[in-house]
Amino acid sequence: ETGVTQTPRHLVMGMTNKKSLKCEQHLGHNAMYWYKQSAKKPLELMFVYNFKEQTENNSVPSRFSPECPNSSHLFLHLHTLQPEDSALYLCASSQDTQGYEQYFGPGTRLTVT
Amino acid sequence: GESVGLHLPTLSVQEGDNSIINCAYSNSASDYFIWYKQESGKGPQFIIDIRSNMDKRQGQRVTVLLNKTVKHLSLQIAATQPGDSAVYFCAAASGNTPLVFGKGTRLSVIA
Repeated sequence: ETGVTQTPRHLVMGMTNKKSLKCEQHLGHNAMYWYKQSAKKPLELMFVYNFKEQTENNSVPSRFSPECPNSSHLFLHLHTLQPEDSALYLCASSQDTQGYEQYFGPGTRLTVT
Repeated sequence: GESVGLHLPTLSVQEGDNSIINCAYSNSASDYFIWYKQESGKGPQFIIDIRSNMDKRQGQRVTVLLNKTVKHLSLQIAATQPGDSAVYFCAAASGNTPLVFGKGTRLSVIA
């Protein structure tokens, strides 16, 4: 176990649904990240939060909305997704954004129908 | 910006042999490099990292080599075991920029 948990592990949703992914880290870290992992592509960084403040948004469509209420929790709210958004969504945390070593959760396998 | 690429998408090795996974990066200002292992159904797991002031670092059965001249990074796994079968990613960062990941090399260990 890495100390980073994600729920749900699997999610199937229609294009008109609204759902949320949850991430929690038990490592006392200050930075948290959302990544998208698609087949045959590198990990794509979506969002970075440091001390609850968003420091990076990699041109992610607005149908993905992150929320970081505190340094231990990170959410990704999903709304009107497209089938091409189907992927593994990974959460990670690190001591801070300059700490570099990131600890990953197991991911949420999302399927958009 | 940085781009990171692995030389081979797949690699097969005999159990007990040494494995070498290679990675190239583009940004000469990159000063931190890291290798992750990802098993099926799991998130990436940290293996080893190295900073640009070093050219070699060893862990348990793993060694990372950094050649800044040609912007090349390699991961060596000694006495490869079936449990080493996974996808291996390298990533690079510079200054305050987040890690940039390569696509990954799938290592298959033949018993």
